[in-house]
Amino acid sequence: ENVLTQSPAIMSASPGEKVTMTCRASSSVSSSYLHWYQQKSGASPKLWIYSTSNLASGVPARFSGSGSGTSYSLTINNVEAEDAATYYCQQYSGYPWTFGGGTKLEIK
Amino acid sequence: EVKVLESGGGLVQPGGSLKLSCAASGFDFSRYWMSWVRQAPGKGLEWIGEINPDSSTINYMPSLKDKFIISRDNAKNTLYLQMSKVRSEDTALYYCARGVLRYYYAMDYWGQGTSVTVSS
Repeated sequence: ENVLTQSPAIMSASPGEKVTMTCRASSSVSSSYLHWYQQKSGASPKLWIYSTSNLASGVPARFSGSGSGTSYSLTINNVEAEDAATYYCQQYSGYPWTFGGGTKLEIK
Repeated sequence: EVKVLESGGGLVQPGGSLKLSCAASGFDFSRYWMSWVRQAPGKGLEWIGEINPDSSTINYMPSLKDKFIISRDNAKNTLYLQMSKVRSEDTALYYCARGVLRYYYAMDYWGQGTSVTVSS
């Protein structure tokens, strides 16, 4: 099983800041099969970024994703209050699909 | 509008069984992979398993393979999760989600979840 470790577990940012969260895999992942989801408190997860760097429909352009191999990241430029949520990475490199533990983003 | 709606959750005794359903609408259900994902209270997401459009391929989280069975009825646009031998650690919100081939099976639509509580 390919274990995904997200860091930090919790982060705080002020509106307008740039934030970056990482997702590290215990073994290499094809960038095509590394996805990110956003989950706000009390809501279902939403697909946010697919295949490392492709924004899902409706996702603001201030979000971006990058990475390869075992290291991936999600970056938010000019973070806004509405970005407060937990972000999960997900990978497939052979079954099972696994999710990272999540990074909770708090807005000051 | 694409919708997936889970149902069937509730209180179940340890060792018992429960069958969850996920009703899909707004898309051609018979052409999509579908997954079950769960989330224990205050915890992260855990993939349970998935089923391909014609039910010929079903993949599971290895630790759950002997307890859970995923199936679907394309005529009814419904996905199922049969849970058995449940334990307290199976207490969670259970989501169904649609996997999209062109997105490398990323899950683009999720239901609101159905809650399962395992307790005596």
